Amino acid sequence: TQLLEQSPQFLSIQEGENLTVYCNSSSVFSSLQWYRQEPGEGPVLLVTVVTGGEVKKLKRLTFQFGDARKDSSLHITAAQPGDTGLYLCAGAPIDNAGNMLTFGGGTRLMVKP
Amino acid sequence: GAGVSQSPRYKVAKRGQDVALRCDPISGHVSLFWYQQALGQGPEFLTYFQNEAQLDKSGLPSDRFFAERPEGSVSTLKIQRTQQEDSAVYLCASSLVEGGVTEAFFGQGTRLTVV
Repeated sequence: TQLLEQSPQFLSIQEGENLTVYCNSSSVFSSLQWYRQEPGEGPVLLVTVVTGGEVKKLKRLTFQFGDARKDSSLHITAAQPGDTGLYLCAGAPIDNAGNMLTFGGGTRLMVKP
Repeated sequence: GAGVSQSPRYKVAKRGQDVALRCDPISGHVSLFWYQQALGQGPEFLTYFQNEAQLDKSGLPSDRFFAERPEGSVSTLKIQRTQQEDSAVYLCASSLVEGGVTEAFFGQGTRLTVV
Protein backbone atom coordinates (compact mmCIF):
# COMPACT_ATOMS: atom_id res chain seq x y z
CA THR A 1 0.00 0.00 0.00
CA GLN A 2 1.44 3.35 -1.05
CA LEU A 3 1.39 6.23 1.40
CA LEU A 4 0.41 8.58 -1.42
CA GLU A 5 -2.42 7.51 -3.70
CA GLN A 6 -2.64 9.12 -7.11
CA SER A 7 -5.68 9.13 -9.34
CA PRO A 8 -6.34 8.49 -12.06
CA GLN A 9 -3.54 6.06 -12.90
CA PHE A 10 -4.00 6.60 -16.64
CA LEU A 11 -5.54 9.44 -18.57
CA SER A 12 -5.89 9.81 -22.32
CA ILE A 13 -7.37 13.07 -23.58
CA GLN A 14 -7.54 15.22 -26.66
CA GLU A 15 -5.48 18.33 -27.13
CA GLY A 16 -7.23 21.37 -25.65
CA GLU A 17 -9.04 19.52 -22.86
CA ASN A 18 -8.58 20.26 -19.18
CA LEU A 19 -7.64 17.68 -16.58
CA THR A 20 -7.02 17.27 -12.88
CA VAL A 21 -4.75 14.75 -11.16
CA TYR A 22 -5.20 14.00 -7.48
CA CYS A 23 -2.72 12.95 -4.81
CA ASN A 24 -4.20 11.80 -1.48
CA SER A 25 -2.91 10.50 1.81
CA SER A 26 -3.98 9.97 5.39
CA SER A 27 -0.60 11.31 6.51
CA VAL A 28 0.54 14.89 6.93
CA PHE A 29 3.44 16.15 4.86
CA SER A 30 5.78 19.03 5.58
CA SER A 31 5.96 19.67 1.85
CA LEU A 32 4.79 18.09 -1.34
CA GLN A 33 6.33 18.08 -4.80
CA TRP A 34 5.06 17.35 -8.27
CA TYR A 35 7.40 15.82 -10.84
CA ARG A 36 7.10 14.99 -14.51
CA GLN A 37 9.00 12.01 -15.88
CA GLU A 38 9.47 11.14 -19.53
CA PRO A 39 10.47 7.67 -20.77
CA GLY A 40 14.13 6.92 -20.14
CA GLU A 41 14.60 10.01 -17.99
CA GLY A 42 14.61 10.81 -14.31
CA PRO A 43 11.82 12.80 -12.65
CA VAL A 44 12.03 16.56 -13.15
CA LEU A 45 10.70 18.80 -10.40
CA LEU A 46 7.75 21.01 -11.41
CA VAL A 47 6.80 22.61 -8.11
CA THR A 48 7.08 22.38 -4.33
CA VAL A 49 4.19 23.39 -2.08
CA VAL A 50 4.73 23.94 1.61
CA THR A 51 1.83 25.81 3.17
CA GLY A 52 -1.62 24.31 3.69
CA GLY A 53 -4.06 25.80 1.18
CA GLU A 54 -1.23 27.04 -1.02
CA VAL A 55 -1.90 27.45 -4.74
CA LYS A 56 0.90 27.79 -7.27
CA LYS A 57 0.62 28.39 -10.98
CA LEU A 58 3.16 27.45 -13.62
CA LYS A 59 1.86 28.60 -17.01
CA ARG A 60 -1.07 26.23 -17.73
CA LEU A 61 -0.45 24.13 -14.62
CA THR A 62 -2.10 24.91 -11.28
CA PHE A 63 -1.00 23.10 -8.13
CA GLN A 64 -2.89 23.11 -4.85
CA PHE A 65 -1.89 21.82 -1.41
CA GLY A 66 -4.76 20.79 0.86
CA ASP A 67 -5.48 22.79 3.99
CA ALA A 68 -4.50 19.85 6.19
CA ARG A 69 -1.38 19.15 4.09
CA LYS A 70 -2.54 15.62 3.36
CA ASP A 71 -3.49 15.99 -0.28
CA SER A 72 -2.73 17.90 -3.43
CA SER A 73 -4.00 18.37 -6.95
CA LEU A 74 -2.53 19.27 -10.32
CA HIS A 75 -4.80 20.92 -12.86
CA ILE A 76 -3.73 21.37 -16.49
CA THR A 77 -5.64 23.78 -18.68
CA ALA A 78 -5.82 23.30 -22.44
CA ALA A 79 -3.54 20.27 -22.49
CA GLN A 80 -1.02 19.95 -25.29
CA PRO A 81 0.75 16.87 -26.70
CA GLY A 82 3.94 18.11 -25.06
CA ASP A 83 2.28 17.58 -21.67
CA THR A 84 2.36 13.82 -22.25
CA GLY A 85 4.31 12.00 -19.56
CA LEU A 86 4.22 10.44 -16.10
CA TYR A 87 3.21 12.85 -13.35
CA LEU A 88 4.40 11.96 -9.87
CA CYS A 89 3.54 13.51 -6.56
CA ALA A 90 6.00 13.09 -3.71
CA GLY A 91 5.93 14.19 -0.12
CA ALA A 92 8.28 14.59 2.79
CA PRO A 93 6.44 12.98 5.76
CA ILE A 94 6.24 15.33 8.71
CA ASP A 95 7.61 12.67 11.06
CA ASN A 96 10.64 11.96 8.87
CA ALA A 97 14.03 13.58 9.26
CA GLY A 98 13.72 14.96 5.77
CA ASN A 99 15.84 12.27 4.21
CA MET A 100 13.15 10.49 2.32
CA LEU A 101 10.60 11.42 -0.30
CA THR A 102 7.57 9.17 -0.55
CA PHE A 103 6.26 8.97 -4.10
CA GLY A 104 2.81 8.23 -5.38
CA GLY A 105 2.28 5.57 -8.03
CA GLY A 106 2.07 8.16 -10.79
CA THR A 107 -0.48 9.28 -13.36
CA ARG A 108 0.37 8.47 -16.94
CA LEU A 109 -1.02 11.20 -19.19
CA MET A 110 -1.35 11.00 -22.93
CA VAL A 111 -2.51 14.04 -24.86
CA LYS A 112 -3.53 13.24 -28.42
CA PRO A 113 -3.30 15.88 -31.13
CA GLY B 1 28.40 17.71 -16.99
CA ALA B 2 26.03 19.90 -15.03
CA GLY B 3 23.58 17.22 -13.97
CA VAL B 4 23.54 13.94 -12.07
CA SER B 5 25.14 11.27 -14.21
CA GLN B 6 24.44 7.56 -13.87
CA SER B 7 26.16 4.64 -15.55
CA PRO B 8 25.56 2.34 -17.16
CA ARG B 9 22.23 3.50 -18.61
CA TYR B 10 21.21 -0.09 -19.24
CA LYS B 11 22.40 -3.32 -17.66
CA VAL B 12 21.32 -6.85 -18.38
CA ALA B 13 22.43 -9.36 -15.76
CA LYS B 14 21.98 -13.08 -15.50
CA ARG B 15 20.26 -14.22 -12.35
CA GLY B 16 22.84 -14.71 -9.64
CA GLN B 17 25.29 -12.21 -11.11
CA ASP B 18 26.61 -9.26 -9.10
CA VAL B 19 26.14 -5.74 -10.49
CA ALA B 20 27.47 -2.29 -9.62
CA LEU B 21 25.65 0.89 -10.54
CA ARG B 22 27.43 4.22 -10.47
CA CYS B 23 26.18 7.69 -9.64
CA ASP B 24 28.12 10.92 -10.21
CA PRO B 25 26.25 13.66 -8.33
CA ILE B 26 26.36 17.34 -9.12
CA SER B 27 29.70 18.70 -7.93
CA GLY B 28 29.54 19.98 -4.37
CA HIS B 29 26.23 18.34 -3.54
CA VAL B 30 26.21 17.09 0.02
CA SER B 31 23.20 14.79 -0.06
CA LEU B 32 22.80 11.75 -2.29
CA PHE B 33 19.77 9.48 -2.58
CA TRP B 34 19.11 6.16 -4.29
CA TYR B 35 15.62 5.15 -5.42
CA GLN B 36 14.23 2.04 -7.08
CA GLN B 37 11.46 2.43 -9.66
CA ALA B 38 9.67 -0.71 -10.78
CA LEU B 39 7.89 -0.70 -14.12
CA GLY B 40 4.73 1.39 -13.95
CA GLN B 41 5.35 2.48 -10.36
CA GLY B 42 6.61 5.54 -8.56
CA PRO B 43 10.18 5.56 -7.19
CA GLU B 44 10.78 3.98 -3.79
CA PHE B 45 13.46 5.17 -1.39
CA LEU B 46 16.49 2.94 -0.91
CA THR B 47 19.18 4.89 0.94
CA TYR B 48 20.55 8.35 1.79
CA PHE B 49 24.09 9.67 2.18
CA GLN B 50 25.22 12.91 3.72
CA ASN B 51 28.74 13.33 2.38
CA GLU B 52 30.36 9.92 2.95
CA ALA B 53 28.07 8.92 5.80
CA GLN B 54 25.17 6.60 5.04
CA LEU B 55 22.55 8.03 7.37
CA ASP B 56 19.54 6.05 6.25
CA LYS B 57 19.45 2.65 4.59
CA SER B 58 16.00 1.67 5.71
CA GLY B 59 14.75 1.21 2.15
CA LEU B 60 17.28 -1.37 1.03
CA PRO B 61 15.15 -4.45 0.32
CA SER B 62 17.64 -7.10 1.44
CA ASP B 63 21.22 -7.64 2.54
CA ARG B 64 22.07 -8.28 -1.11
CA PHE B 65 21.89 -4.52 -1.63
CA PHE B 66 24.84 -2.42 -0.59
CA ALA B 67 25.64 1.23 -1.25
CA GLU B 68 28.75 3.28 -0.61
CA ARG B 69 30.05 6.79 -1.10
CA PRO B 70 33.61 6.56 0.27
CA GLU B 71 34.83 10.06 -0.58
CA GLY B 72 31.55 11.89 -0.34
CA SER B 73 31.17 12.28 -4.08
CA VAL B 74 30.64 9.32 -6.41
CA SER B 75 28.35 6.60 -5.10
CA THR B 76 27.99 2.96 -6.07
CA LEU B 77 24.96 0.76 -5.52
CA LYS B 78 25.91 -2.89 -5.55
CA ILE B 79 23.47 -5.75 -5.85
CA GLN B 80 24.77 -9.22 -5.14
CA ARG B 81 23.29 -12.45 -6.53
CA THR B 82 20.69 -10.57 -8.58
CA GLN B 83 17.15 -11.90 -8.72
CA GLN B 84 14.41 -11.24 -11.27
CA GLU B 85 12.54 -9.06 -8.80
CA ASP B 86 15.53 -6.71 -8.79
CA SER B 87 14.66 -5.67 -12.35
CA ALA B 88 13.86 -1.96 -12.16
CA VAL B 89 15.18 1.50 -12.89
CA TYR B 90 17.60 2.67 -10.22
CA LEU B 91 17.54 6.43 -9.79
CA CYS B 92 20.15 8.56 -8.08
CA ALA B 93 19.46 12.10 -6.86
CA SER B 94 21.67 14.71 -5.26
CA SER B 95 21.07 17.89 -3.33
CA LEU B 96 23.22 20.82 -2.27
CA VAL B 97 21.87 20.91 1.27
CA GLU B 98 21.92 18.39 4.09
CA GLY B 99 18.80 16.26 4.01
CA GLY B 100 17.63 18.41 1.15
CA VAL B 101 15.38 15.85 -0.39
CA THR B 102 12.95 18.49 -1.57
CA GLU B 103 15.63 20.24 -3.62
CA ALA B 104 17.10 17.12 -5.18
CA PHE B 105 17.98 16.66 -8.84
CA PHE B 106 17.55 13.22 -10.37
CA GLY B 107 19.77 11.41 -12.82
CA GLN B 108 18.43 9.53 -15.84
CA GLY B 109 18.61 6.22 -14.04
CA THR B 110 20.05 2.80 -14.76
CA ARG B 111 17.60 0.27 -16.14
CA LEU B 112 18.53 -3.15 -14.74
CA THR B 113 17.03 -6.24 -16.32
CA VAL B 114 17.73 -9.58 -14.67
CA VAL B 115 17.21 -12.56 -16.96
